[in-house]
Amino acid sequence: AQSVAQPEDQVNVAEGNPLTVKCTYSVSGNPYLFWYVQYPNRGLQFLLKYITGDNLVKGSYGFEAEFNKSQTSFHLKKPSALVSDSALYFCAVRPNQAGTALIFGKGTTLSVSS
Amino acid sequence: SAVISQKPSRDICQRGTSLTIQCQVDSQVTMMFWYRQQPGQSLTLIATANQGSEATYESGFVIDKFPISRPNLTFSTLTVSNMSPEDSSIYLCSVDGVAISSTDTQYFGPGTRLTVL
Repeated sequence: AQSVAQPEDQVNVAEGNPLTVKCTYSVSGNPYLFWYVQYPNRGLQFLLKYITGDNLVKGSYGFEAEFNKSQTSFHLKKPSALVSDSALYFCAVRPNQAGTALIFGKGTTLSVSS
Repeated sequence: SAVISQKPSRDICQRGTSLTIQCQVDSQVTMMFWYRQQPGQSLTLIATANQGSEATYESGFVIDKFPISRPNLTFSTLTVSNMSPEDSSIYLCSVDGVAISSTDTQYFGPGTRLTVL
């Protein structure tokens, strides 16, 4: 079965420190990979995606993610965390077919302390 | 990116009643998806809705409980029928702009927060 794993329920970092939110996937073929962020009482906002090409992709708000095919991972990173980055982060994959829905991880709560 | 609105943004309903959620997009899209996010959980796909055809439901979701309409390329509705407290969730619609701008990204509406008493 196709799945996405986010092994950490919560990640705690201090403001100014680098952050990593982990994601691994189990999907056949060459899937599309995404990160979304959800702030309290808000919908999902798209952060970044990997389709093909450079393994390091850059997205909104200074976030980036590194695709590693051999490890089937797509970890989200930011060099310097902000308190305002505190939110719920979802990794999602989409099998490489037009019109298919996303498969979501369970989400990781990022808490950045001042 | 597509701009998506949902109505209502939230509602509190009595068990046994039904609620219809509307999803409006500012551009024509081929695929629309309806997801459910139960409290403290991830998103689960309910169904995929194409214009002019019956919605395709995921395992565990049935048309009698979650009827969906898709009358045109910018609009869809999801009805939650005969509600029970277990239906208390956030319901989100999402769109795939493949038809128009060949985007690979799904964009989400703000969600409808439903509480069933």
